Amino acid sequence: GENVEQHPSTLSVQEGDSAVIKCTYSDSASNYFPWYKQELGKRPQLIIDIRSNVGEKKDQRIAVTLNKTAKHFSLHITETQPEDSAVYFCAIRRDNYGQNFVFGPGTRLSVLP
Amino acid sequence: KAGVTQTPRYLIKTRGQQVTLSCSPISGHRSVSWYQQTPGQGLQFLFEYFSETQRNKGNFPGRFSGRQFSNSRSEMNVSTLELGDSALYLCASSLTGNNSPLHFGNGTRLTVT
Repeated sequence: GENVEQHPSTLSVQEGDSAVIKCTYSDSASNYFPWYKQELGKRPQLIIDIRSNVGEKKDQRIAVTLNKTAKHFSLHITETQPEDSAVYFCAIRRDNYGQNFVFGPGTRLSVLP
Repeated sequence: KAGVTQTPRYLIKTRGQQVTLSCSPISGHRSVSWYQQTPGQGLQFLFEYFSETQRNKGNFPGRFSGRQFSNSRSEMNVSTLELGDSALYLCASSLTGNNSPLHFGNGTRLTVT
């Protein structure tokens, strides 16, 4: 079946440093790649997404890059702040019909003040 | 605009019982998806409803079922509960469906004893 790998599983950075999380997938039909942030005890929230006709997308301190040939996409957070501490999930849409997403296992990011 | 509303927030049930969870999507969203979140398995897709029809289904046993009403509200039912069904059940709504981001509710925490 469909598989999404996410690395690293945990990541600790100093405040102000950058953080990078990478996801690899196997389904070449996927064309939509969102990233979600889940703070402790809260619901997952979309932070950025990218579609397969775009290689990179940026929103302030957050960016996502996509390499569809190599089947991987990465989340980049610059100038990290303590409030960035959370679990981050990547996801791919399983097929091109409907909202059937496969999520990565998550990366726990800790930003140390 | 009100977000996705899930009720109840917490449930404690005994093995063998059944349970019904409710989800009210964001106004105008016609797609409603359900996910199970556990520490061991992460976020796993249960099913998606669109215009009162099940459009996609994940790899869960038939004890898990759902439905969607004409106002897009959705219910999920789990029959003959097992200990392993203890999890956070998240509902997510989205617009038409394809390549639209998921908007998650706060979830229902189900504990089976």
